[in-house]
Amino acid sequence: TQTVSQSDAHVTVFEGDSVELRCNYSYGGSIYLSWYIQHHGRGLQFLLKYYSGNPVVQGVNGFEAEFSKSDSSFHLRKASVHWSDSAVYFCAASMTGGYKVVFGSGTRLLVSP
Amino acid sequence: GGIITQTPKFLIGQEGQKLTLKCQQNFNHDTMYWYRQDSGKGLRLIYYSITENDLQKGDLSEGYDASREKKSSFSLTVTSAQKNEMAVFLCASRGLGGVAETLYFGSGTRLTVL
Repeated sequence: TQTVSQSDAHVTVFEGDSVELRCNYSYGGSIYLSWYIQHHGRGLQFLLKYYSGNPVVQGVNGFEAEFSKSDSSFHLRKASVHWSDSAVYFCAASMTGGYKVVFGSGTRLLVSP
Repeated sequence: GGIITQTPKFLIGQEGQKLTLKCQQNFNHDTMYWYRQDSGKGLRLIYYSITENDLQKGDLSEGYDASREKKSSFSLTVTSAQKNEMAVFLCASRGLGGVAETLYFGSGTRLTVL
């Protein structure tokens, strides 16, 4: 069974703090990983993806994520958050060459001013 | 750029009723998806369609039917709405290139069953 788990349902930080949102996966074989953001009442928007190569990938608005095969992880990080980063963040995975995309349960990030 | 349009935005139904949700995309994407989003449970895949007239069951297909008669549209039917059910249904599409392509999402249909 292919699964994606996000262990933190809620994360609260202050504006200017750094943040790491965790994602772990359970897949066999080559995997494609991505992060999406969902602002209140909206659909999901793509942030970044990893398929191969450099395990640290850069996304929009200063977000980056690091792939670790040994830890089965793809954690999302930002060095200095802004209040507008408050949203729900979803990690997603699929097998390379596959069409089925599985999402984690999401992490709600709240950035306090 | 393209857009995914989901209709209706809000859907209120009665227990036992058959309800249909519609999704249109103008990306010219081949693959489309229906996900259900419940509070605290993330997104669960209901159906997906690799191309026109193709249907693939996801992890939550029981109680739902889907239809992909045109490349640009993908409909989902709740075959018998459950009392007190509340969820958001999200439609998404993805182009060819399989693994490397991003999913684009609509803004959702919010279902309430009385």
